[in-house]
Amino acid sequence: DAGVIQSPRHEVTEMGQEVTLRCKPISGHNSLFWYRQTMMRGLELLIYFNNNVPIDDSGMPEDRFSAKMPNASFSTLKIQPSEPRDSAVYFCANAKTRYNEQFFGPGTRLTVL
Amino acid sequence: KNEVEQSPQNLTAQEGEFITINCSYSVGISALHWLQQHPGGGIVSLFMLSSGKKKHGRLIATINIQEKHSSLHITASHPRDSAVYICAVDSGGSNYKLTFGKGTLLTVNP
Repeated sequence: DAGVIQSPRHEVTEMGQEVTLRCKPISGHNSLFWYRQTMMRGLELLIYFNNNVPIDDSGMPEDRFSAKMPNASFSTLKIQPSEPRDSAVYFCANAKTRYNEQFFGPGTRLTVL
Repeated sequence: KNEVEQSPQNLTAQEGEFITINCSYSVGISALHWLQQHPGGGIVSLFMLSSGKKKHGRLIATINIQEKHSSLHITASHPRDSAVYICAVDSGGSNYKLTFGKGTLLTVNP
């Protein structure tokens, strides 16, 4: 298994543009997490899916952020419209269940100008 | 005040030294995670524990639920252990709430 795959690895965009980050989880791992990491705030959980269903999205900063998991092998995190303060590294992580170790993707470094 | 406090914030050691990183938390938890973030940015899960002790190679993690405290130990440290070590606690019940510490930057010199 290739592990958790994220794309793109780097994204530079202008304020106001829509950004879509993608995650391909490990097969058979039913819990998926999206995290954001910044220098100021460290790591933060944005949303948690279990069996493709969003369980907790209380970490999503505002309505500009949305996440979907249409099937067990794909998830997206969308920011529309993007703002400079959204610049961060976004990680997708995957686990068999919430109570198992998590496997992290390599992250997407987002820069919003 | 952060619900998860790590100490020290920075730690420099000589190769071969025994390392201890501490994590204290203020809420009831169902599990605690130790993560390692390499200088290149990648994150690896080291341990997830809810009681007792776990060992993997030169790494040992312990947790004391009553004292709301966990420690990560590295025996015979090596320069390749240089990384940021992050503690995170799962304090959610039916919801999932994961709170992260600010991390401990470990530098092991040869």
